[in-house]
Amino acid sequence: EAQVTQNPRYLITVTGKKLTVTCSQNMNHEYMSWYRQDPGLGLRQIYYSMNVEVTDKGDVPEGYKVSRKEKRNFPLILESPSPNQTSLYFCASSLSQVGGGTQYFGPGTRLLVL
Amino acid sequence: AQSVTQLGSHVSVSEGALVLLRCNYSSSVPPYLFWYVQYPNQGLQLLLKYTTGATLVKGINGFEAEFKKSETSFHLTKPSAHMSDAAEYFCAVSRLGSSNTGKLIFGQGTTLQVKP
Repeated sequence: EAQVTQNPRYLITVTGKKLTVTCSQNMNHEYMSWYRQDPGLGLRQIYYSMNVEVTDKGDVPEGYKVSRKEKRNFPLILESPSPNQTSLYFCASSLSQVGGGTQYFGPGTRLLVL
Repeated sequence: AQSVTQLGSHVSVSEGALVLLRCNYSSSVPPYLFWYVQYPNQGLQLLLKYTTGATLVKGINGFEAEFKKSETSFHLTKPSAHMSDAAEYFCAVSRLGSSNTGKLIFGQGTTLQVKP
């Protein structure tokens, strides 16, 4: 089944404790992206990757890191989480970055930073 | 810069009634437009999209949307609401042109409540 998976689905952590949220897709997609969803703000892009070893900042990259060592994986790293990073996070992938392509979303990771 | 505005953060309809969720966008270049649905505790699922061609787009679950360039709108409709349509709906536009990064720019979302 074609899908985007994320782990963990739920995470409670404390300020400053490094964490990684994994994202994997099995559709051989070149383009992958991370979004955060906050009430009243919709989804905002954090980082994106057009292909292996090619990543760039989205609209809200502060406090996050990403890497793209393999085509299928695009982990999101919070080196020193803070309470304002409490949010719902979605990974997405599409065949390419061309504007009309459909992006497929993972199930989401709900993060609480205390 | 592109932006998306969804009018009404909450919409309530009776089962069997018309569903109308409003979306307006601003873009200096022809946009690609999307509607996504998010059911509780799930990711986003594509309902429909407009890229080029016919301005009336049909999607899954009986939804459709019409691209109206003169009104910069892409409203989502369904003739008869079903209880299972209760969810949050997001309108989005993707960036085109030389700065195309594939990013989706989302509206704030509209929660649809369907009353029995």
